[in-house]
Parts: sequence; C-alpha cells; structure tokens
Amino acid sequence: DQQVKQNSPSLSVQEGRISILNCDYTNSMFDYFLWYKKYPAEGPTFLISISSIKDKNEDGRFTVFLNKSAKHLSLHIVPSQPGDSAVYFCAARGSQGNLIFGKGTKLSVKP
Amino acid sequence: DVKVTQSSRYLVKRTGEKVFLECVQDMDHENMFWYRQDPGLGLRLIYFSYDVKMKEKGDIPEGYSVSREKKERFSLILESASTNQTSMYLCASRASPNGKLLFGSGTQLSVL
Repeated sequence: DQQVKQNSPSLSVQEGRISILNCDYTNSMFDYFLWYKKYPAEGPTFLISISSIKDKNEDGRFTVFLNKSAKHLSLHIVPSQPGDSAVYFCAARGSQGNLIFGKGTKLSVKP
Repeated sequence: DVKVTQSSRYLVKRTGEKVFLECVQDMDHENMFWYRQDPGLGLRLIYFSYDVKMKEKGDIPEGYSVSREKKERFSLILESASTNQTSMYLCASRASPNGKLLFGSGTQLSVL
C-alpha cells in the first residue's frame, strides 16, 4: 500500500500563476518531508523540505505547507515559470531514515 | 563541485546478460542507494548501503544484487537481465540519515 501519494499525475499552469502540487501520506510517524524536482534524463534535485514540527517553510518562490492532522502537504510555486516544468516528487522520511517517494506530478508551465 | 557519478547515461543489453551499473561519489558519504524510476510508478528503492561491505534490501530487490567494497563506490548488478528491468536507474548518496539525498544523472537501461 502506498504510504506517500501524489494523486495528480499531471498539472498544467499558465506562466505567472500559482502552481499547487499536493501530497498525502498515511503514516503519522513520518517526521520529515522533502520535495524533489526532476527534469528528463537527469537525476532528481532537492528543492525544499519541512520538519513535522513546522507547518510552513519558504524558499524564494517555493513554499511547502504541512497539515499534520490531515496528513497532507503541498508545494506552492509563485509565480510559476516555464523553467519550472518538470516532474515533482514528494518524499517522506521513514523509520530507517530512508526516503519514501510518491509517484510524482508532472508540471507544465505554459508561456 | 560535489557529485554522484554514474558511469553510463545510456545502456543497451540483451536478455540474459549480466549487467553492472557503477556509481561513485566524491563526498565521503556513508549512505548510498539505488532506485529505479518508471513512468507512473515513481522512485522505487532497490538496495541501499549504510557502510562499506554492508547492504540492505529495499522495496524491489528481486533480480538485483549490489556490491560496496569501497566507501565511494556502490555497484548494482543485474544477474540475468530481463525486459522488465528496462528502466531509468538512479544512484544517490547522503552523509547521514539526516542528510539530504544527492542523486546522480541516471542510467537509462534498455534490455532487448
């Protein structure tokens, strides 16, 4: 059973608008969450993270929100740019310290 | 510039061949990982290693083995390649369980 779920396989947004990528998890023991970004034919790169003791973390155009009661996190990109077009993976840190990844959401930002 | 280097970007092999995928990191990281990425399935953990000579099975270890003889190198071995092992293989490393994963560029393996 999937422990980290990204229910939207794809998302299309107009340049300059907000992109919101969602992620749900099932294990309330997860204490750390990360977002990775992946371009085709490249490895994923770390984007932003949040500890379970916080409900928001911001880095430039990227903000991650965590709602522990709903076991839900979201990544907001404002304003979206064409260069943001990529696959975004949500990940949670499990009990052994390994990362458990979602299936990814492909974001397309149209000029 | 610190990096994780995977020896091949693209690889084409025949069914039944033994395949070696090599990964080297120059950051003195303790932990190393092998994932595969398939469309619609995300990143799935094959094997990981927390130290030299140590290895642990991930979520999908069947058909694979690994070797970590030196700290900087983590090899993934496909004992007898099959077509369902056609995939993008990603190596990653980190300094500690609290560290962030740093990925290599990936190896796109096609098994014919």
